Amino acid sequence: GIQVEQSPPDLILQEGANSTLRCNFSDSVNNLQWFHQNPWGQLINLFYIPSGTKQNGRLSATTVATERYSLLYISSSQTTDSGVYFCAVRIRYNFNKFYFGSGTKLNVKP
Amino acid sequence: DTEVTQTPKHLVMGMTNKKSLKCEQHMGHRAMYWYKQKAKKPPELMFVYSYEKLSINESVPSRFSPECPNSSLLNLHLHALQPEDSALYLCASSQPGLKQAFFGQGTRLTVV
Repeated sequence: GIQVEQSPPDLILQEGANSTLRCNFSDSVNNLQWFHQNPWGQLINLFYIPSGTKQNGRLSATTVATERYSLLYISSSQTTDSGVYFCAVRIRYNFNKFYFGSGTKLNVKP
Repeated sequence: DTEVTQTPKHLVMGMTNKKSLKCEQHMGHRAMYWYKQKAKKPPELMFVYSYEKLSINESVPSRFSPECPNSSLLNLHLHALQPEDSALYLCASSQPGLKQAFFGQGTRLTVV
């Protein structure tokens, strides 16, 4: 199956710093989402971004499908940004299955 | 409304108990999913229902029994679980073909 790799696995930031999280995937994808899992376990949708660039407040994401990667940018980080960030992809011939990356654990310190 | 609601939020059950997890969405989605997540791991797919029919079973043990009584509801019936089944169980929904998926807040299950 498809391999989805996220980097870095762990990230510690001081409040106010910026960061870039990366998601690499080994096959062509039809769908890519970024999620934030909060400390209570809920997966919160950040972006549905199979290609192109989107922005939502302090967060933005870019997917370059032809080069098989996606980036999540967090600017002016806040302590509430702490948690685990997952990217998940869907491939063309397995429509109903999401393949999750292993996640990036972010800790934003005050 | 982009909400998927799961109940209960927490569940402790003995190995001989029978319990059920419930998931509900009112977004008109026709695909619903159960995922299992162990600590420090990504979610792992268990089951997919598409148009109320089971379309994917990821070789899940029979002590987990899914049910989709209608397009808004998804249940996971639990029977004779083992302590290693303790995990966060997440429900998700989307339009079939896995357009944007939305997840519930999960049920944190402990088997004693």
